[in-house]
Amino acid sequence: GNSVTQMEGPVTLSEEAFLTINCTYTATGYPSLFWYVQYPGEGLQLLLKATKADDKGSNKGFEATYRKETTSFHLEKGSVQVSDSAVYFCALRAGSYQLTFGKGTKLSVIP
Amino acid sequence: SQTIHQWPATLVQPVGSPLSLECTVEGTSNPNLYWYRQAAGRGLQLLFYSVGIGQISSEVPQNLSASRPQDRQFILSSKKLLLSDSGFYLCAWSAGTASSNYGYTFGSGTRLTVV
Repeated sequence: GNSVTQMEGPVTLSEEAFLTINCTYTATGYPSLFWYVQYPGEGLQLLLKATKADDKGSNKGFEATYRKETTSFHLEKGSVQVSDSAVYFCALRAGSYQLTFGKGTKLSVIP
Repeated sequence: SQTIHQWPATLVQPVGSPLSLECTVEGTSNPNLYWYRQAAGRGLQLLFYSVGIGQISSEVPQNLSASRPQDRQFILSSKKLLLSDSGFYLCAWSAGTASSNYGYTFGSGTRLTVV
């Protein structure tokens, strides 16, 4: 079956630090990959996505590259801000109505 | 543009009382609809999904049920709430077929506390 593994954290960074949240997956077929963000008390928002190998999704300074050879979709940002504090979910969709989510990574950015 | 509405935002209910959470989608037709629960912590648990009116797939046997009386309406219900039903409930929709590349769009969630 399909599965997503991401670092569980929590991750605490100082403002302007570099962020990496690792995500690896197993899937049948050719999945589309997603990163969602959940700010405190809110629903999930789509942050970025990639639908085929070597695609790079980007949004709000965040980037992730679909690496088929390593089955990974790591999330990166060059300089985090306090407003980036949230929980980040990696997810995949492969030949199914369902998205498969990782367990989420809580990021706290301190001034 | 498409929008998803979920209500109420917060709810405090006594043990043994009934529950009804509603979710509606605007600006699209024949969406796939989903109910998730997020318990204390961060993980997301898929409860139900529907690919059409009257079609409900249950992922986890439990005290809850779902119905889809109209194309863009999805309801989560319980006849008698348990303490363990407390959590953050999220509705979501997606377009397309099982083989599509679409992600989900989530509602803003309902915080349910059973006391």
